[in-house]
Amino acid sequence: RKEVEQDPGPFNVPEGATVAFNCTYSNSASQSFFWYRQDCRKEPKLLMSVYSSGNEDGRFTAQLNRASQYISLLIRDSKLSDSATYLCVVNRGGGNKLTFGTGTQLKVEL
Amino acid sequence: DAGVIQSPRHEVTEMGQEVTLRCKPISGHNSLFWYRQTMMRGLELLIYFNNNVPIDDSGMPEDRFSAKMPNASFSTLKIQPSEPRDSAVYFCASSWGSNEKLFFGSGTQLSVL
Repeated sequence: RKEVEQDPGPFNVPEGATVAFNCTYSNSASQSFFWYRQDCRKEPKLLMSVYSSGNEDGRFTAQLNRASQYISLLIRDSKLSDSATYLCVVNRGGGNKLTFGTGTQLKVEL
Repeated sequence: DAGVIQSPRHEVTEMGQEVTLRCKPISGHNSLFWYRQTMMRGLELLIYFNNNVPIDDSGMPEDRFSAKMPNASFSTLKIQPSEPRDSAVYFCASSWGSNEKLFFGSGTQLSVL
């Protein structure tokens, strides 16, 4: 079983839609969690951290469920510019050793 | 401020040749990471350094791969000899202290024919 698993998609949604991605992780000792965004042929960039209490940044909401070992990302009022691959990232602890999921591709269409 | 700088951007080589990828982290960052990305396996951590010292190289696939960080502003990843299955995008990333936010370079697209 992979350490971090994501549905690869693609998720094709119309502009303005709400879309949600889930990600599961296998190591219950994992300590911190993130969502990174990667545009086509570009490097990954941090989108947001994920906290146990849930956190929101504009149209983006991230949540963590430690009991079920999954994290989620919700995008409201999606824009064409949101089209990208969203990478779920987990730190198992003991340094900055981040494990990346293979990503979920989002395509926002007119 | 300059971000993480990688060179070359693209490398095409023949099987058996030596390949050297280069990385300059962000000034002041003391952790450096080498990742490899493929469609099938996603982003895989190969090795990371803290204060120029290799901390974890368990992701290095085999002895053909080696990495060095002679000083705080430069690192290399070498593949010798290269094989077609090494074809991937290789990213370098850096961070500061215990900050988990990684800053990635633009990557090196490696094609081994």
